[in-house]
Amino acid sequence: EAQVTQNPRYLITVTGKKLTVTCSQNMNHEYMSWYRQDPGLGLRQIYYSMNVEVTDKGDVPEGYKVSRKEKRNFPLILESPSPNQTSLYFCASSPEGHHYTEAFFGQGTRLTVV
Amino acid sequence: AQSVAQPEDQVNVAEGNPLTVKCTYSVSGNPYLFWYVQYPNRGLQFLLKYITGDNLVKGSYGFEAEFNKSQTSFHLKKPSALVSDSALYFCAVRDTENTPLVFGKGTRLSVIA
Repeated sequence: EAQVTQNPRYLITVTGKKLTVTCSQNMNHEYMSWYRQDPGLGLRQIYYSMNVEVTDKGDVPEGYKVSRKEKRNFPLILESPSPNQTSLYFCASSPEGHHYTEAFFGQGTRLTVV
Repeated sequence: AQSVAQPEDQVNVAEGNPLTVKCTYSVSGNPYLFWYVQYPNRGLQFLLKYITGDNLVKGSYGFEAEFNKSQTSFHLKKPSALVSDSALYFCAVRDTENTPLVFGKGTRLSVIA
């Protein structure tokens, strides 16, 4: 089954404790991205990657890192999480020509930073 | 800069009635427009898109959307709403390959039996 898999689905952590949210897709898509969803703000793009070893900042990259060492994986790293990073996070992937093709989304990761 | 507006936070409609969820956009070039739906505790699912061609686009689950260039709108419609259509709906736009997909704030649709 074609899918984007995120782990974990739920995470509660403390301020400053480094964490990684994994994202993996099995569709051989070139383009992957991370979004955060906050009430009243919709989805905002954090980082995106157009292919292996190519990453770029989205609209809200501060406090986040990403890497794209393999085509299928695109982990999101919070080196020192803060309470304002409490949010619902989504990973998405799209095939080449992504600007006119639909994105496939993971199930989401609900992160709480206390 | 690209932007999307969904002017209604909430839309309520009776089952069997037609529904409309509004979306207006702003881009510098030609728009690529999308609608996604989010059910509780789920990721976003693609409904339909407008790239070029016919202004009326048909998508999944009986939904359709009408692209109106003069009004810069891309409203989502369905002739007869179902209770199972109750969800959060997002409109999104992109104008070129190198710009991010920009989402609206979402509209919560509630279909009442």
